[in-house]
Amino acid sequence: GAVVSQHPSWVICKSGTSVKIECRSLDFQATTMFWYRQFPKQSLMLMATSNEGSKATYEQGVEKDKFLINHASLTLSTLTVTSAHPEDSSFYICSASRAREEKLFFGSGTQLSVL
Amino acid sequence: AQTVTQSQPEMSVQEAETVTLSCTYDTSESDYYLFWYKQPPSRQMILVIRQEAYKQQNATENRFSVNFQKAAKSFSLKISDSQLGDAAMYFCAYRSAQGAQKLVFGQGTRLTINP
Repeated sequence: GAVVSQHPSWVICKSGTSVKIECRSLDFQATTMFWYRQFPKQSLMLMATSNEGSKATYEQGVEKDKFLINHASLTLSTLTVTSAHPEDSSFYICSASRAREEKLFFGSGTQLSVL
Repeated sequence: AQTVTQSQPEMSVQEAETVTLSCTYDTSESDYYLFWYKQPPSRQMILVIRQEAYKQQNATENRFSVNFQKAAKSFSLKISDSQLGDAAMYFCAYRSAQGAQKLVFGQGTRLTINP
């Protein structure tokens, strides 16, 4: 089965610092990767869609200068939360799609806590 | 834009009994996919079952089955012989067969299994 690895699993940082989260497809080439955000007891909200070698497409209301997404290869996408603030504390989940498959493969998520 | 609605924030069922989780969606597309995902306390997203809109036959996966009513835009999940391990958040999700193919999630239903 397809495996998506997401690191780190959890991170604590000080307000004003930047945090990078990695999402890797271990055994397949991911044509598209998606980044979701989940607040406690809420659903997953799509933040952005990234395709290898091109700029990410951000959902309405998501600050692209704050949440930097880089999809430099077919197996790696990164989300950088810049100048993090406590309100950015959340659970971030990546997912990846494989060519000609309708289902998505999810990473295990990253819990970000900003102090 | 597509929307997915789960009107049951919480459901509970006795172990070994059957429970049905509701989901409705709104779309103008004719070709799409529908999914049910399970999110246990670990927060790992687990695919439970999927349905292609062009297929009239309802999907089944062991104890899990769906009632797909395309005209009514309804996609309910039935869990038979409920087990303690079924306790989790369940999310209904929609994915277009065209374009960005992002997953749109419903609000989720928290399922409790009573021993």
